[in-house]
Amino acid sequence: GAGVSQSPRYKVAKRGQDVALRCDPISGHVSLFWYQQALGQGPEFLTYFQNEAQLDKSGLPSDRFFAERPEGSVSTLKIQRTQQEDSAVYLCASSFYSGRLREETQYFGPGTRLLVL
Amino acid sequence: LAKTTQPISMDSYEGQEVNITCSHNNIATNDYITWYQQFPSQGPRFIIQGYKTKVTNEVASLFIPADRKSSTLSLPRVSLSDTAVYYCLVGGKYNFNKFYFGSGTKLNVKP
Repeated sequence: GAGVSQSPRYKVAKRGQDVALRCDPISGHVSLFWYQQALGQGPEFLTYFQNEAQLDKSGLPSDRFFAERPEGSVSTLKIQRTQQEDSAVYLCASSFYSGRLREETQYFGPGTRLLVL
Repeated sequence: LAKTTQPISMDSYEGQEVNITCSHNNIATNDYITWYQQFPSQGPRFIIQGYKTKVTNEVASLFIPADRKSSTLSLPRVSLSDTAVYYCLVGGKYNFNKFYFGSGTKLNVKP
């Protein structure tokens, strides 16, 4: 497809369950980002990949959160032992990294809405 | 990371020009200023980006004063479909594009 896709679009989990959220970035995009967006708030940075390398994971809220991008394309955000405070929309974004100083536009997916009961 | 301050909400009417100002007092030399638009149940969408002075594209204009401590997004002749949340972000290459979105400005366009 032409844009960033995410699946599932909606996920309901019972507290304590593990969940896996998938992101398919735009083909050829080197950079991939995960954000968490709580209701009524702006997106908050979670982690950043350049190809398969996770260069920044400073935004991950706890060690229950884990992200990977093993082949430098599709990425998965995994949340173990989900808690109610994990309920949020999880956004994925990708950008083409040209190496120039000018910032790269991030293209966002529609997000996965996670509800933990 | 340079943080930003924007009005929480703004109201406008169709056909009016809307200006949304963002403060970013601790912007760094390498930082660019980027504005995104977000509709409900969608991811943010890029609107415009600039470094200094004025930038214009088919959707909006961005005004940045010489000290770069603020910026103004200008939307000409808004329509009902421009009702959305608008985020001002600052960031640069050397922090891996780790943007701080803030809470954004909820623009409500009335008929």
